[in-house]
Amino acid sequence: DVKVTQSSRYLVKRTGEKVFLECVQDMDHENMFWYRQDPGLGLRLIYFSYDVKMKEKGDIPEGYSVSREKKERFSLILESASTNQTSMYLCASSSVGQGVYGYTFGSGTRLTVV
Amino acid sequence: AQSVTQPDIHITVSEGASLELRCNYSYGATPYLFWYVQSPGQGLQLLLKYFSGDTLVQGIKGFEAEFKRSQSSFNLRKPSVHWSDAAEYFCAVGADNYGQNFVFGPGTRLSVLP
Repeated sequence: DVKVTQSSRYLVKRTGEKVFLECVQDMDHENMFWYRQDPGLGLRLIYFSYDVKMKEKGDIPEGYSVSREKKERFSLILESASTNQTSMYLCASSSVGQGVYGYTFGSGTRLTVV
Repeated sequence: AQSVTQPDIHITVSEGASLELRCNYSYGATPYLFWYVQSPGQGLQLLLKYFSGDTLVQGIKGFEAEFKRSQSSFNLRKPSVHWSDAAEYFCAVGADNYGQNFVFGPGTRLSVLP
């Protein structure tokens, strides 16, 4: 069964900490995405990557950065965590040329910043 | 650019009743259309998809959806709802086969009464 795996289901971090959220996919997908999900705001795209070392800003990139050193791994970095970054974070992947199959999502990481 | 609306924020139905969740999209050509389901605390799971052919598509968990070009709609239906269907449902639109630039609707939360 193909998978997108997010390393943590729940995280609690302190304000000002540097936080790493990790996502790994085993489908050899070119595209990977980071979304945050908040009640009433739906899914908002933070960043996406279409190839190793390539990235594009999404709708809300401020306060975040990403890293994609290997095709299967896409990391989201909160440089200095703040309480307004408390949210559910979802990673997804998709294949170029197979957009008809949609995105495959991970189970999510619920991050609480205190 | 494409856009998606889901007019109903929250719907409550009784177990065993029929269900229809609405999705309207805006796009100049025939888009790739998807419905996802998200159980509490989980990631999004693909229910079904449409990109061409028969306008009535079948998905997992007994769901179906009908593409109506004239109404720019892709409504999700289920003849008899089970308590386990309580979740949030997202409609999504893709414009091409690159697997990027999907737009997600705001979601409809489904509650099921016993």
